[in-house]
Amino acid sequence: KQEVTQIPAALSVPEGENLVLNCSFTDSAIYNLQWFRQDPGKGLTSLLLIQSSQREQTSGRLNASLDKSSGRSTLYIAASQPGDSATYLCAVTSGTYKYIFGTGTRLKVLA
Amino acid sequence: ETGVTQSPTHLIKTRGQQVTLRCSSQSGHNTVSWYQQALGQGPQFIFQYYREEENGRGNFPPRFSGLQFPNYSSELNVNALELDDSALYLCASSTPASGLNEQFFGPGTRLTVL
Repeated sequence: KQEVTQIPAALSVPEGENLVLNCSFTDSAIYNLQWFRQDPGKGLTSLLLIQSSQREQTSGRLNASLDKSSGRSTLYIAASQPGDSATYLCAVTSGTYKYIFGTGTRLKVLA
Repeated sequence: ETGVTQSPTHLIKTRGQQVTLRCSSQSGHNTVSWYQQALGQGPQFIFQYYREEENGRGNFPPRFSGLQFPNYSSELNVNALELDDSALYLCASSTPASGLNEQFFGPGTRLTVL
């Protein structure tokens, strides 16, 4: 049974700092991994999707890496801003039909 | 291109009542998935519909049911509401044609059961 864990559960950093969010999964037979952002009480905004054949994806200040063999992904945020404050969720799919989500990392960037 | 929309935004019900939540998929998407997100938790998969048929189900009781219509919009119905059903209900649409299984989420419906 696939399980997804995100560490840390919460993170508070000063503006401008580079930071890394971690996601681990127990079954390496994934189809893809997707990182989402969620603002309080809102839906999910897709940030990056990494296919199982890929090692990383980049979008602006965000870079996500995937190491399938070790069951790990990291989301790197460069030069953090107060507007980055949100909960970040990672999810994996085995390509059938459902995403398995972690419980998220709550990020607060202090001005 | 219109994104995923959900209605209503918020809903308050009492125990034992029934509720229907609605979702319109993104243009060109024929697959809709529903998730339940309790406070402080990640979303949990309820079920998925593809071309009007249920295409997989998570660990939810039969009182959670759904429909998908010819225009690919979808409904989630919950009967005999319980206090633990209070959550944010998220709908996501996708299309197998993309080969990515990338899911695009709506803003959610916040259900409170009293």
